[in-house]
Amino acid sequence: EDKVVQSPLSLVVHEGDTVTLNCSYEVTNFRSLLWYKQEKKAPTFLFMLTSSGIEKKSGRLSSILDKKELFSILNITATQTGDSAVYLCAVDSRGSTLGRLYFGRGTQLTVWP
Amino acid sequence: DAGVTQSPTHLIKTRGQQVTLRCSPKSGHDTVSWYQQALGQGPQFIFQYYEEEERQRGNFPDRFSGHQFPNYSSELNVNALLLGDSALYLCASSAYDTYSNQPQHFGDGTRLSIL
Repeated sequence: EDKVVQSPLSLVVHEGDTVTLNCSYEVTNFRSLLWYKQEKKAPTFLFMLTSSGIEKKSGRLSSILDKKELFSILNITATQTGDSAVYLCAVDSRGSTLGRLYFGRGTQLTVWP
Repeated sequence: DAGVTQSPTHLIKTRGQQVTLRCSPKSGHDTVSWYQQALGQGPQFIFQYYEEEERQRGNFPDRFSGHQFPNYSSELNVNALLLGDSALYLCASSAYDTYSNQPQHFGDGTRLSIL
C-alpha cells in the first residue's frame, strides 16, 4: 500500500529556533516529492524534489531528498510567527503519464513570539 | 493571473442530499484533480480529469462523480451524503506534460458540512 508518513505531527517552537520536519514514503512509480504549506485553506507549493542529494533552498527554507532511504526533510531556520502552518509532504506517483499525489498527515508547526 | 478558483466557499447539507462543487483551473492548466481533506488529515485523492475524461480514481465510492468541461473547469458531485463526507474539498490543477514535472496548484477549497 502506498503511504507517506510525516513526523512529528505537531511541533511548538519559539521565534528564532530551527526546525526539521521529516517525511518518509513508500510509493510505487515515484516521480517527485513535494512540500506544501497550508494555512487554513489552499496548500501553497514550496518545493519539488526529484533527485537525491540536491538541496533546494528558498530563503530560510530548505529541503533535501534521499531516494535510497526514501525520505525527505524540510528545514526552517530562524523561524518566525508567520511560519506557523501545516506543512504537507506529498509524493507524485506516475503509473500512467498523469500523476497523482499521496499526502502525509502533515506537521502542525506553531511558532510563538 | 488567476489561480485555481473554487465555489462555493462553504456549504451545509443534510444527510442523504446531493451536492455539486465547482473548480476553475489556473490559466494554462488542463488537468484537474480533486482531493478530500478531513480534519487533521492530509488530502486524499478522489479522482482526476483530463480531456473531459476521468483518468485516475482513488478509493472513493461511486457516490463521488465528476465532470470536466471543454474550458477545463470541473465539477465534483456527491450523492447520498453521509456525515463522514464532512471535509474540505480541494481542487488542484496542472498542465499535462509527459516529459517534465509540474507541481499541482490548489484552490482554497470548499468546506462541506453535513448535519
